[in-house]
Amino acid sequence: DTGVSQNPRHKITKRGQNVTFRCDPISEHNRLYWYRQTLGQGPEFLTYFQNEAQLEKSRLLSDRFSAERPKGSFSTLEIQRTEQGDSAMYLCASSSFGRGETQYFGPGTRLLVL
Amino acid sequence: GQQVMQIPQYQHVQEGEDFTTYCNSSTTLSNIQWYKQRPGGHPVFLIQLVKSGEVKKQKRLTFQFGEAKKNSSLHITATQTTDVGTYFCAGGGGYNKLIFGAGTRLAVHP
Repeated sequence: DTGVSQNPRHKITKRGQNVTFRCDPISEHNRLYWYRQTLGQGPEFLTYFQNEAQLEKSRLLSDRFSAERPKGSFSTLEIQRTEQGDSAMYLCASSSFGRGETQYFGPGTRLLVL
Repeated sequence: GQQVMQIPQYQHVQEGEDFTTYCNSSTTLSNIQWYKQRPGGHPVFLIQLVKSGEVKKQKRLTFQFGEAKKNSSLHITATQTTDVGTYFCAGGGGYNKLIFGAGTRLAVHP
């Protein structure tokens, strides 16, 4: 058990609906990452927070995606007007500040857009 | 942008045989990390390599970081059925975000 939790674990939605995922990192970790993983591929970086500041966003993160980490603890990832291409596993990871620190992944939220 | 390539994509071995996966980056890496993902699971951290030419061992697993810090390998000696899964390398890509390879899926036949 890495200590990173994600909810829900599975989400099925219809195209056009909005969905929100939550990530609770390891409590002492100040860095939080969101990745997306599709079948047969490695995780792809989406965005990164240090404390409450969102410091980097991938070009993969279209305007329909928004992430927040309001108090520097848990984070949410919202997808508006979902599309079938959004179907994937959404992984959250956390780490402590420092060069090359280990990222610990949560179990992920598997999204299926019908 | 930075790319990390991994070969082979799949590897089937008989239990007891050795296994190696190779990772190459388009740019020099500050560090490289290896993760294992079991079917239906999430990536689990195995090891991090930082120094040029570094070699680290974990029981039957041997990890190497190339002299130019652009390539790496993972070698498993005498595979076991518990080694089944997908092995990913990931290079540090700024702000410590990870750039993952596509992974090598290992199947071990008893």
